[in-house]
Amino acid sequence: DTEVTQTPKHLVMGMTNKKSLKCEQHMGHRAMYWYKQKAKKPPELMFVYSYEKLSINESVPSRFSPECPNSSLLNLHLHALQPEDSALYLCASSQEREPGQGIFPSSYNEQFFGPGTRLTVL
Amino acid sequence: TQLLEQSPQFLSIQEGENLTVYCNSSSVFSSLQWYRQEPGEGPVLLVTVVTGGEVKKLKRLTFQFGDARKDSSLHITAAQTGDTGLYLCAGAGSSNTGKLIFGQGTTLQVKP
Repeated sequence: DTEVTQTPKHLVMGMTNKKSLKCEQHMGHRAMYWYKQKAKKPPELMFVYSYEKLSINESVPSRFSPECPNSSLLNLHLHALQPEDSALYLCASSQEREPGQGIFPSSYNEQFFGPGTRLTVL
Repeated sequence: TQLLEQSPQFLSIQEGENLTVYCNSSSVFSSLQWYRQEPGEGPVLLVTVVTGGEVKKLKRLTFQFGDARKDSSLHITAAQTGDTGLYLCAGAGSSNTGKLIFGQGTTLQVKP
């Protein structure tokens, strides 16, 4: 199973709403990612979780709050968003190196993406 | 800061034509991935290249990794309308954090 699933597929929310995006993978990957993507542009990294711990926050505004309940699930909680936050939000996962591992396998950096959530903020 | 320059950014061709997309950098990458993305969907991994000079083929798609592992190319032979999409190259950064450095993307339109 090489699938990453995301729900919902589409989300429309007002600037005062609170909503959550969900991501799930069953590939045994221990690294999970949130990206934001605008039309015809490359994905922009937001957060990286490694072994369920937040390892990278790319200076994302606090209205985006990630959560990793377990090794298979990743959530992104949204609150008080702005219209410019409208975008495709992508989740991805990859293998992670074992702690202390010096040489990484070639598959280490292969990221598998979900289908995304199309978010519209009104 | 590692950067990947991808070109061209837009390409519109007729079905049956050949094309090449390039990704270039002044930095060395330990591996490089190519993805294809259709509108409203997530990127799909096409191939990973890891060895300098490596050539991989996926049906009509040929991927090359430069000898110095600083550049890569994607060549499509006899393009089909189903090849239409956004093509992204992405390199594994030197910091070993798992972060990918993405090129700007190539939007390919293949017309019937």
